[in-house]
Parts: sequence; C-alpha cells; structure tokens
Amino acid sequence: QSVLTQPPSVSGAPGQRVAISCAGSSSNIGADYDVNWYQHLPRTAPKLLIYGNKNRPSGVPDRFSGSKSGTSASLAITGLQAEDEAYYYCQSFDSSLSGSVVFGGGTKLTVL
Amino acid sequence: QITLKESGPTLVKPTQTLTLTCIVSGFSLRTNGVGVGWIRQPPGKALEWLALIYWDDDKRYSPSLSSRLTVTKDTSRNEVVLTMTNMAPVDTGTYYCAHRLRTGVEGTAFDYWGQGTLVTVAS
Repeated sequence: QSVLTQPPSVSGAPGQRVAISCAGSSSNIGADYDVNWYQHLPRTAPKLLIYGNKNRPSGVPDRFSGSKSGTSASLAITGLQAEDEAYYYCQSFDSSLSGSVVFGGGTKLTVL
Repeated sequence: QITLKESGPTLVKPTQTLTLTCIVSGFSLRTNGVGVGWIRQPPGKALEWLALIYWDDDKRYSPSLSSRLTVTKDTSRNEVVLTMTNMAPVDTGTYYCAHRLRTGVEGTAFDYWGQGTLVTVAS
C-alpha cells in the first residue's frame, strides 16, 4: 500500500486530455511538501516530468502540467500522443516517516 | 553533464548481502544540497524508494527496510554504495541510483537517473 494513492490506469484517445490524480495526507502533500511526477517507459530509467508541483525540466513539452491543492496533486496531459503511453508516478516527501521520500503506486496511461 | 551508473552482482543468493555501487560524474558529492538516492522496482510493481544520502552525510532510509540498508559515500572516488542485508527473492528487481534535485525547503526530486541494474535473488 503506497503512501500516495494513484489510479491504477487511465486512458484517452489521441489529441484528448487526461489527468492523473495523486492523493496524499497532512504529513506529505498537505504539509506543503512539493510533488514531483515521473514518466516511466519499459526498460528505461524513469524521467522527471514535473518538479516542485508545476515546473517542467528543460525539454519536457508544455503538454504536461502539474498542479497541487490541499492534500492532492494532479498531472494533466493535453494533446495526447501515442508516445505518451507509459507509467506515471507521483512522488513527495513525508514528515511522519522519519523524513522519507514517498512514491505513488503508479498509473498506466493507455493511448487508445 | 550529470551521469550516474550502477554496478554490482546480477545474482545473489537468499540471505546474502547485496552491495551496489553508484559512480557519479558531472557533480560533486560535497556540494551543498547534493544528494544521491536509491530506488528499486520489482518486476511488474511500482517504484520504491530505498535510501538517500546528502552532501553533509545525513542519511535517510525507507522505514520498512531501514534495518537492512546502509548507504555510504566516498567523495574522493565519486561513488555512493548501498548495502542490503538478508536478501530474499522478493528483493528481486531493478535498482536505480539517482541525483537529488532540491525542491522547496526540504523537498527532493530525482532529475538524473542511472540506467538501472537488475538484481535477481535466487538459490
């Protein structure tokens, strides 16, 4: 059971918008710790997609955006493309677990 | 250009100790704010954070695995070492080391990752 809760799967057609939620608690997201998002393709290393809740590293398309409110965060992908099909993970910091890094359980995005 | 590369055994026997090394380049392990984390992924499962070592030698461990983990660094050799004791088949997976990006006051993201190394635990 992950500290951060994500839906196991989401799907969308090319060109559509999808959103992936990440639910936390008052000891992590709700404690104002930043949320980060990763894209993970099979047999590759995870790639940082969003850091500090809403910032994109250089090279990440602006189709990807992040937001945070209260104890939850969300990753939105607009203009869905076939290459976006991957696993997506949220990650934050939790003060109740001796200052631990925590990941969500991951969401599989399927492009229909 | 920041790079990280993991190395270590591909096969370990149950009850043995796993030692993985992460060689880093493009940054110094002494620089204020720097950290290197270890993350693993069992086959078909989610990413799981294991440990994080900071530039000042502060160390954090996954609460569920803390009794089995030790992380150290050698700044002169630009390497970070993770040891995990009493390995079991459930510890099979791909192990990654990653560079810490400081976000906010105390936050951590991982912006550069090694390619990962697959470790199988079997007799």
